[in-house]
Amino acid sequence: GDSVTQMEGPVTLSEEAFLTINCTYTATGYPSLFWYVQYPGEGLQLLLKATKADDKGSNKGFEATYRKETTSFHLEKGSVQVSDSAVYFCALSGESGGFKTIFGAGTRLFVKA
Amino acid sequence: DTEVTQTPKHLVMGMTNKKSLKCEQHMGHRAMYWYKQKAKKPPELMFVYSYEKLSINESVPSRFSPECPNSSLLNLHLHALQPEDSALYLCASSQDPAGSLSSEQYFGPGTRLTVT
Repeated sequence: GDSVTQMEGPVTLSEEAFLTINCTYTATGYPSLFWYVQYPGEGLQLLLKATKADDKGSNKGFEATYRKETTSFHLEKGSVQVSDSAVYFCALSGESGGFKTIFGAGTRLFVKA
Repeated sequence: DTEVTQTPKHLVMGMTNKKSLKCEQHMGHRAMYWYKQKAKKPPELMFVYSYEKLSINESVPSRFSPECPNSSLLNLHLHALQPEDSALYLCASSQDPAGSLSSEQYFGPGTRLTVT
């Protein structure tokens, strides 16, 4: 069945460091791909999405590119801030999974001042 | 209004109690979802309503009973829960009906449930 694999955390970075959180997926066809963020004590928020191969989603300085050839959707940010500390979930929604949203395990990010 | 609201924020209940969780959205979304999230885990899908009809039930125990009174409201009725049901319960909605490829979801802040 469909699945999402994320790099394990926690990831600890200093402010202004470069961030990469790896995400790969398994699905047939062309699923939509998402990154959601969950700040402490809150629900999930959509951070960005991409719906077809080579699409780049971007928001708040975060970017991710839909790579069909490597089945990946890695999250990047050039300069992280303390306020980016949160849990990041990679997710997909596709026909082979009945269009249910499949979440990765989540990656916790700590950013130090 | 791009908000999904949930009440209560926190709930403590005994194993013999009956309680309800409530969720509301005014974005005109046609699909609404209940998820359960344990600490340090991703959300697990419980139920999906599409156009006010239950379209997905992920084999959830009958002590959880969903209800969708209208297109803006979603309830989760709880009865005879077990301590292992303690978790964060998240409601979400999406513009596209469930079964749509790019149906990004909008989440509420959740209800933190503790079963004693």
